[in-house]
Amino acid sequence: TQLLEQSPQFLSIQEGENLTVYCNSSSVFSSLQWYRQEPGEGPVLLVTVVTGGEVKKLKRLTFQFGDARKDSSLHITAAQPGDTGLYLCAGGRNRDDKIIFGKGTRLHILP
Amino acid sequence: DSGVTQTPKHLITATGQRVTLRCSPRSGDLSVYWYQQSLDQGLQFLIQYYNGEERAKGNILERFSAQQFPDLHSELNLSSLELGDSALYFCASSYSPRGGAYNEQFFGPGTRLTVL
Repeated sequence: TQLLEQSPQFLSIQEGENLTVYCNSSSVFSSLQWYRQEPGEGPVLLVTVVTGGEVKKLKRLTFQFGDARKDSSLHITAAQPGDTGLYLCAGGRNRDDKIIFGKGTRLHILP
Repeated sequence: DSGVTQTPKHLITATGQRVTLRCSPRSGDLSVYWYQQSLDQGLQFLIQYYNGEERAKGNILERFSAQQFPDLHSELNLSSLELGDSALYFCASSYSPRGGAYNEQFFGPGTRLTVL
């Protein structure tokens, strides 16, 4: 059972466009993390959100945690080729300290 | 560079064989996590060790085992290898034992295992 569903699976857009990717679940998470992974490398943590409704910004990236702490979104403004990569969301649960990863959104920004 | 090191970078072996993957956590980190990443399954949590003790277990097969040594490095042992075990294996580390909630994990560069 995949507890974290990411959509879309693949996204290819032109440089300068805006985009939003989603991470959804029927489960409540204590926290949610977004990672970016480039080919041949390990995931790199971008942000952690812990409060329902929380919004965090990282330059052109805006992360939001849903009010019910079951979903999250990542919005990129004016995408650049350097944003290309696999974006993974991961949910943390207090009750068992496990972290569950979604399958990711593979983003390709065309120059 | 996350500070987490993994060796080897690539490993090619045959079905039925046994291999050992090694991970050294960031300096000062006490927790080590192992993950398997394959194309169809995404990133799967295998097991976590904290300061030498097993802390949490995920979808780890009985053919797989791990341990964390007194110097905090960890090894993941994969035995009776099957074609389906071909994947990227990542190690991550964190300071706290609380791996999921609130805590950052720092990932190593991974070991690509190919079973022929």
